Amino acid sequence: GAGVSQSPSNKVTEKGKDVELRCDPISGHTALYWYRQRLGQGLEFLIYFQGNSAPDKSGLPSDRFSAERTGESVSTLTIQRTQQEDSAVYLCASSFKTSGVGAYGYTFGSGTRLTVV
Amino acid sequence: AQSVTQLGSHVSVSEGALVLLRCNYSSSVPPYLFWYVQYPNQGLQLLLKYTTGATLVKGINGFEAEFKKSETSFHLTKPSAHMSDAAEYFCAVSRSTGNQFYFGTGTSLTVIP
Repeated sequence: GAGVSQSPSNKVTEKGKDVELRCDPISGHTALYWYRQRLGQGLEFLIYFQGNSAPDKSGLPSDRFSAERTGESVSTLTIQRTQQEDSAVYLCASSFKTSGVGAYGYTFGSGTRLTVV
Repeated sequence: AQSVTQLGSHVSVSEGALVLLRCNYSSSVPPYLFWYVQYPNQGLQLLLKYTTGATLVKGINGFEAEFKKSETSFHLTKPSAHMSDAAEYFCAVSRSTGNQFYFGTGTSLTVIP
């Protein structure tokens, strides 16, 4: 597609439930990133996929968080047993280059606003 | 290690006035620097970036920023604020060989009519 597509745009879930967030990157973008943006805070890096290499999971806050990506296609971020502190906007971004990405920048999706009640 | 500090979480300016949003960074290697804008309920949009070359960078919507190595700063400016500039602005840094950005906490810009 023309841009990075995320779904759903909004998700309200009950505490303790599992949620799955989807990101469809720009076609041909080999790198894909997930960030979390809590209210009034900056973006927090979660995970990075680079082609078929092992992902960089260093930003995942707990083992309740996991993400998958098959090849250079769609990625899903799963949060198990959601907690109220998981409430945030989850942003996905993709990039053409897999290294030195700073020179190329990211294209961000519009995010999924997750509210845990 | 990289980090970004944005001074002022909220900035208010009158329509037509100068916009100045401050960003300072720390980086162990020469950085790439970026400003992103986020309008309500939207994703981040790239305003401008500095990688190499000219230190004064011009971006979209009349914004510009100047990389000052001696001050480790990359402040964002616009000569005359417009109502449509009201948004959240994020400064970010990346290493030239890095694979992720490090974002500041953002500055919310309000434009007063």
